[in-house]
Amino acid sequence: SQTIHQWPATLVQPVGSPLSLECTVEGTSNPNLYWYRQAAGRGLQLLFYSVGIGQISSEVPQNLSASRPQDRQFILSSKKLLLSDSGFYLCAWSRTSVPDTQYFGPGTRLTVL
Amino acid sequence: GIQVEQSPPDLILQEGANSTLRCNFSDSVNNLQWFHQNPWGQLINLFYIPSGTKQNGRLSATTVATERYSLLYISSSQTTDSGVYFCAANNYNQGGKLIFGQGTELSVKP
Repeated sequence: SQTIHQWPATLVQPVGSPLSLECTVEGTSNPNLYWYRQAAGRGLQLLFYSVGIGQISSEVPQNLSASRPQDRQFILSSKKLLLSDSGFYLCAWSRTSVPDTQYFGPGTRLTVL
Repeated sequence: GIQVEQSPPDLILQEGANSTLRCNFSDSVNNLQWFHQNPWGQLINLFYIPSGTKQNGRLSATTVATERYSLLYISSSQTTDSGVYFCAANNYNQGGKLIFGQGTELSVKP
């Protein structure tokens, strides 16, 4: 069966510090991968998605970047965090671009102070 | 792109009551999913239901694609049903991107 992991689970970082969040998927090959952010309140916003190694599409211009160095690894990064980067970051995967069920990881709760 | 709207935004129930959550979407969809976000933030897949009706225990969902809405039914609610319920959709114009509604926050009181 497929599983998706995210780490760390929680993170408190000062403004201006770098960020690296990691997401890995097990039990499948060539998944589509997604990063979402859930800010205060409830809505989830798609940040990045990837259909293959090195292929990243950005949905929202911002202080963040994503990379996919391996087939089942997706990394969310920032060189300098802003207060507004605080939120709950969720990684997801699916088998095909569309349409297919997306499955979410446990999330990383980021607080920028 | 697709817009997804959910109602009601908040719902308070007594344990044992039934409820219906609604999701309206602005365009035709190829993917419609319902999720439950638990208190720890985990998004749990409930249904993949671009059309038709599905049931899983006390939960069932119906999507009427031609009328662009989906309904999630919760019967005999339990306190463990509390949390936020999200509807999310996409279509070929969106690629693989799920567009989420703002959610319905359900609180089931004992």
